[in-house]
Amino acid sequence: DVKVTQSSRYLVKRTGEKVFLECVQDMDHENMFWYRQDPGLGLRLIYFSYDVKMKEKGDIPEGYSVSREKKERFSLILESASTNQTSMYLCASSSPHDRSYNEQFFGPGTRLTVL
Amino acid sequence: SQKIEQNSEALNIQEGKTATLTCNYTNYSPAYLQWYRQDPGRGPVFLLLIRENEKEKRKERLKVTFDTTLKQSLFHITASQPADSATYLCAGRSNNRKLIWGLGTSLAVNP
Repeated sequence: DVKVTQSSRYLVKRTGEKVFLECVQDMDHENMFWYRQDPGLGLRLIYFSYDVKMKEKGDIPEGYSVSREKKERFSLILESASTNQTSMYLCASSSPHDRSYNEQFFGPGTRLTVL
Repeated sequence: SQKIEQNSEALNIQEGKTATLTCNYTNYSPAYLQWYRQDPGRGPVFLLLIRENEKEKRKERLKVTFDTTLKQSLFHITASQPADSATYLCAGRSNNRKLIWGLGTSLAVNP
């Protein structure tokens, strides 16, 4: 059974802290994505990666960075957490099929609260 | 800008009826549309993909259509069950290969 796992289901951090969210997939997928999901705003793409050490900005990259050192792992970093980064963070992966980004497999999500 | 729009009003139907959800796209022509199901507090789960050259796709009680003239996809659940209650998301491939997501439509199937 295919699986995308995220390091935490719930996380509470303080303003200014550096936060690491980890995502691991076991499907040997090239593509990995980080989204945040907020009521009324839907899923918004933060960053994505289509290969190891490759990354591309999504629609809302400000305040975030990512790391993809290994194919199966994609990390999202909040350099200095702020209250407006309180959200549900979802990681996803997909196989390339000529990089056409087919169906995405999602992790369970991390609900991050920044106080 | 490229947009995917779904009916924001929740849909309430009786068990056994067919649920029909709408997805409209504007300012672009997606090569395909995908439908996902999302339960509260969980990540979306892929259900179906339909390409622009396909009129209809079926999977068990699910049916999806793609109408390039109306710029619309319809998602049907036949013989609906309370377990089908969830939010359903539509996503279209954008011109730069990312997915553009709708906000989702909440479906409640009443016993």
